[in-house]
Amino acid sequence: AQSVTQLGSHVSVSEGALVLLRCNYSSSVPPYLFWYVQYPNQGLQLLLKYTSAATLVKGINGFEAEFKKSETSFHLTKPSAHMSDAAEYFCAVTPRDNNDMRFGAGTRLTVKP
Amino acid sequence: EAGVTQFPSHSVIEKGQTVTLRCDPISGHDNLYWYRRVMGKEIKFLLHFVKESKQDESGMPNNRFLAERTGGTYSTLKVQPAELEDSGVYFCASSQDIGLAAADYNEQFFGPGTRLTVL
Repeated sequence: AQSVTQLGSHVSVSEGALVLLRCNYSSSVPPYLFWYVQYPNQGLQLLLKYTSAATLVKGINGFEAEFKKSETSFHLTKPSAHMSDAAEYFCAVTPRDNNDMRFGAGTRLTVKP
Repeated sequence: EAGVTQFPSHSVIEKGQTVTLRCDPISGHDNLYWYRRVMGKEIKFLLHFVKESKQDESGMPNNRFLAERTGGTYSTLKVQPAELEDSGVYFCASSQDIGLAAADYNEQFFGPGTRLTVL
């Protein structure tokens, strides 16, 4: 069975600082991996996804993530945080042969002025 | 094009009452999923419909939960009788038929969720 672990339920950064949200997955075969963002009172929005093309994936709003098979990781980064990035971020995984998605517990990102 | 919609956005009920949540997927999407997030925990898969059939209902907590998708369009999730631990946010998502885009992943599009509070 697949699963993901997000390290840190809360992350706080200053505006302009690097954002790093950690995600490690557990899967017997390389899965599909995703990062979703949830802004207050909104649904989940896909930030980016890894589906076996390039290991460095670029998403919306300046975010990117790198799939590292050796580390079973898919950490999310953004070079410079903006106030509008404050939200909750979820890492997720699905197997390649079906769409049944499994999520991490989420990381709430706070951006300080 | 309209996204996934869910109704109601919020529901507050007392323990023992019945609540029905509704999800309208994106038109043409055969796959419909229900997820739940209990406060502070991860978003958990509940079940997956392909058209009107239940493909996977392994995540349904117990028999107080009943999901239906008559006609393969919208879906309802009924909780009867509701218990305190059922409180949380219930998300619905939809995606196209996997077979239509086998070379790539079929993105799941999520609705805004229904926040259920059981008192």
